[in-house]
Amino acid sequence: NAGVTQTPKFQVLKTGQSMTLQCAQDMNHEYMSWYRQDPGMGLRLIHYSVGAGITDQGEVPNGYNVSRSTTEDFPLRLLSAAPSQTSVYFCASSKQGMNSPLHFGNGTRLTVT
Amino acid sequence: KNQVEQSPQSLIILEGKNCTLQCNYTVSPFSNLRWYKQDTGRGPVSLTIMTFSENTKSNGRYTATLDADTKQSSLHITASQLSDSASYICVVTSGTYKYIFGTGTRLKVLA
Repeated sequence: NAGVTQTPKFQVLKTGQSMTLQCAQDMNHEYMSWYRQDPGMGLRLIHYSVGAGITDQGEVPNGYNVSRSTTEDFPLRLLSAAPSQTSVYFCASSKQGMNSPLHFGNGTRLTVT
Repeated sequence: KNQVEQSPQSLIILEGKNCTLQCNYTVSPFSNLRWYKQDTGRGPVSLTIMTFSENTKSNGRYTATLDADTKQSSLHITASQLSDSASYICVVTSGTYKYIFGTGTRLKVLA
C-alpha cells in the first residue's frame, strides 16, 4: 500500500522556469491538498480539491495551478518559478469526514535560483 | 484571527525521560485537534485526533489531552526513545477541511 507518493524528491529550477510536482494516492481519498513548509512557519495551504473536477484556492495560491482530472492524481504546477517559491512542498489526502486523518507524502524540496 | 501556538519551540531530553508539549489555540469554529509527528525529511504522520467531547486520547507512549474550555492541548511522551526525535505539530480543524497548523516543537532525545 503506497499511500501518498510525491515526485520528484528534489528539484532545482532557475527563475522563470515552469514545472509540475506530481502527487498520487491509492487510498481512494476524496480530499487532496498541497502545502508548503517554510522554516519557522506552519504548513500553509496552497490549493485543495474535494473530488475529481473540483479545486479551490488555499491561503497562498499565487503562482501555482492545480487540476484534478482523476481521484488518484493532483499535480501542482509552478507557472514561472520565483526564488520566493523555494520551499518544501507536501501533498496530503484524506477520506471525506472532518475526523479523518490527513495522510502526507514525503515532500518535494524545491530550490529556485 | 485563527491561530495555533506551540511551546516550547525546541526541547532536549534524555532517553527514558518523559516530556510534555503544549498547544494553545484560538480557532472558531472548532471541529477537532490533531497531533502529528514529523521525522526529518519526511511528511507528518497522524498521532491522535480529538473532538470537542474527548479529554484524553492515547497512541502507545503518546497521550494527548484537550481542554476545550481553556483551548489548550498537551502531548505527553512517556519513556522517550531515540526514535521520538522529531517535530511535533498541533493542528486544529475548523469546519470540514480547514486546517490551522502550529509551527511545531522540535524534540531531540539524547542517549
